[in-house]
Amino acid sequence: KNEVEQSPQNLTAQEGEFITINCSYSVGISALHWLQQHPGGGIVSLFMLSSGKKKHGRLIATINIQEKHSSLHITASHPRDSAVYICAVGIIQGAQKLVFGQGTRLTINP
Amino acid sequence: EPEVTQTPSHQVTQMGQEVILRCVPISNHLYFYWYRQILGQKVEFLVSFYNNEISEKSEIFDDQFSVERPDGSNFTLKIRSTKLEDSAMYFCASKWTSGSDTQYFGPGTRLTVL
Repeated sequence: KNEVEQSPQNLTAQEGEFITINCSYSVGISALHWLQQHPGGGIVSLFMLSSGKKKHGRLIATINIQEKHSSLHITASHPRDSAVYICAVGIIQGAQKLVFGQGTRLTINP
Repeated sequence: EPEVTQTPSHQVTQMGQEVILRCVPISNHLYFYWYRQILGQKVEFLVSFYNNEISEKSEIFDDQFSVERPDGSNFTLKIRSTKLEDSAMYFCASKWTSGSDTQYFGPGTRLTVL
């Protein structure tokens, strides 16, 4: 069983739509991270959350620690938001390594 | 803004050859990581490094792998005898503290083993 599960795996939407990507995890975590991976492969950190909600521009991330669930929302989506969005959890023990979900490939059509 | 850098961006090698992947973490960071991503798969943890020693390693990180911080700035991953299945994107990451903290990723090195 995967420790971090994301849904959906693929998501195609029209420009302007509200996007939601979900992440569930099954292990004890120190924090949850949302990352963006561009077509060239580079990974950029978007958010780190241990409780509540964070907002940056058109991106909003929420986490429910009791339910072990997080969501990433994109408002007024734009073609430049097309990327793979990855949920990763920081493991509470040891060196705080990240355990990654399989990613959600988002395509926003003009 | 400080960033993690990695070289080379792409390395092609023959099976059985040794490769060294290089990373320069952000200068005041203390915790260093290597992750890899096989094409089409999720990113996987390889090893973490702190205070000049390995703090944790995964099952993937067997005797063929080693890490080193030779000079206080570079952080290297060596694969002694590459296999076809080592072909992947390798990411270096670093962070400042031991607690919950953002890990900053390098751009990755794409390793192709022929």
